Amino acid sequence: GENVEQHPSTLSVQEGDSAVIKCTYSDSASNYFPWYKQELGKRPQLIIDIRSNVGEKKDQRIAVTLNKTAKHFSLHITETQPEDSAVYFCAATSGGGADGLTFGKGTHLIIQP
Amino acid sequence: EAQVTQNPRYLITVTGKKLTVTCSQNMNHEYMSWYRQDPGLGLRQIYYSMNVEVTDKGDVPEGYKVSRKEKRNFPLILESPSPNQTSLYFCASISGGTDTQYFGPGTRLTVL
Repeated sequence: GENVEQHPSTLSVQEGDSAVIKCTYSDSASNYFPWYKQELGKRPQLIIDIRSNVGEKKDQRIAVTLNKTAKHFSLHITETQPEDSAVYFCAATSGGGADGLTFGKGTHLIIQP
Repeated sequence: EAQVTQNPRYLITVTGKKLTVTCSQNMNHEYMSWYRQDPGLGLRQIYYSMNVEVTDKGDVPEGYKVSRKEKRNFPLILESPSPNQTSLYFCASISGGTDTQYFGPGTRLTVL
């Protein structure tokens, strides 16, 4: 089955700086890679996703890049703000998301004022 | 309003006492899934369902059962709960068109 590794487990950045979270996956058949943000005590919320036929996708301050050859994908957050503090999870699936996702273990992003 | 609901939100029970966590969605999605979340382990899939009467095991199915008699409901059943099933449980409903997973609010279960 799929295995997703996520690094780092904790990331502390100054407000206004950029943050990068990296994930690797094992199943070359995986074709859908979403990122979720989970605030304390709340449910995971999808923030951005990418499919295997695209190398990069941006949505305002958030971007995701995918390298299929190396089997890794990354989340980039620019101009970080206090409300970006949360736990971020990457995930991968070869079932298009419908069969369920394999998640990384999460990154706790801390934005220092 | 499109939503996924779970009940109960919090539950403290004792070892061996059967319990059911309900999950319901109003988006007419065919695909639904259950996850458990434990500190340092992320979210792990327990079971998923591709349609009514069609279910399959995820990565950590031991000790759990599910049923899918109607499209909107996907209950999680613990026949004989044990302390290692103490966890935060999330139900998800999946849009077949976009593959987006919509999570329920979560159920925090403690088994003593």
